[in-house]
Amino acid sequence: AQTVTQSQPEMSVQEAETVTLSCTYDTSESDYYLFWYKQPPSRQMILVIRQEAYKQQNATENRFSVNFQKAAKSFSLKISDSQLGDAAMYFCAYYKPGGSYIPTFGRGTSLIVHP
Amino acid sequence: NAGVTQTPKFQVLKTGQSMTLQCAQDMNHEYMSWYRQDPGMGLRLIHYSVGAGITDQGEVPNGYNVSRSTTEDFPLRLLSAAPSQTSVYFCASSSQLAGVYEQYFGPGTRLTVT
Repeated sequence: AQTVTQSQPEMSVQEAETVTLSCTYDTSESDYYLFWYKQPPSRQMILVIRQEAYKQQNATENRFSVNFQKAAKSFSLKISDSQLGDAAMYFCAYYKPGGSYIPTFGRGTSLIVHP
Repeated sequence: NAGVTQTPKFQVLKTGQSMTLQCAQDMNHEYMSWYRQDPGMGLRLIHYSVGAGITDQGEVPNGYNVSRSTTEDFPLRLLSAAPSQTSVYFCASSSQLAGVYEQYFGPGTRLTVT
């Protein structure tokens, strides 16, 4: 079974600085999708960014970007110019279309943003 | 589109009581799932469905029941509530047919069992 590991239970960053959240996964597949979700204190889970494994280019959404290292099975999330509203739990997830029906989630990283 | 809706938002039960958490989606997604979220444990899959009339167990199915009579609705039943079922519950949907592989989540239900 696929596993997704987020080795940092908690991270902190100063406002306006950059932080990187780590995620590694285990798979023997070559075609799959990876996601980062954000869960603020409101509890609502929000998709931050999505990466298709067949694309070599790293996905970017405004201040959020990923460093996708397929051979190393690593998928880190970089948040630039951190804002207080970025404080949340962040979950990494793996999904193989046509494989299991439901994605595999990591246990999450709690991001604290200091003013 | 309302997306994924869940009711209620909060619920307190006594041990042994039963209840149903409601989940509905209006995006015509074929996949729906229920998760529970506990501190330090991330999201754990309870049950899921790949279409109307088809359900299957996830990682932590004991004490929960589901059915899917329509594409839109996927209720979760707690048969006899126990304090160990105190948690936050999320419903989610996605669609392989439409290439919507990411999960769309409901706002969650915080359940406390005393």
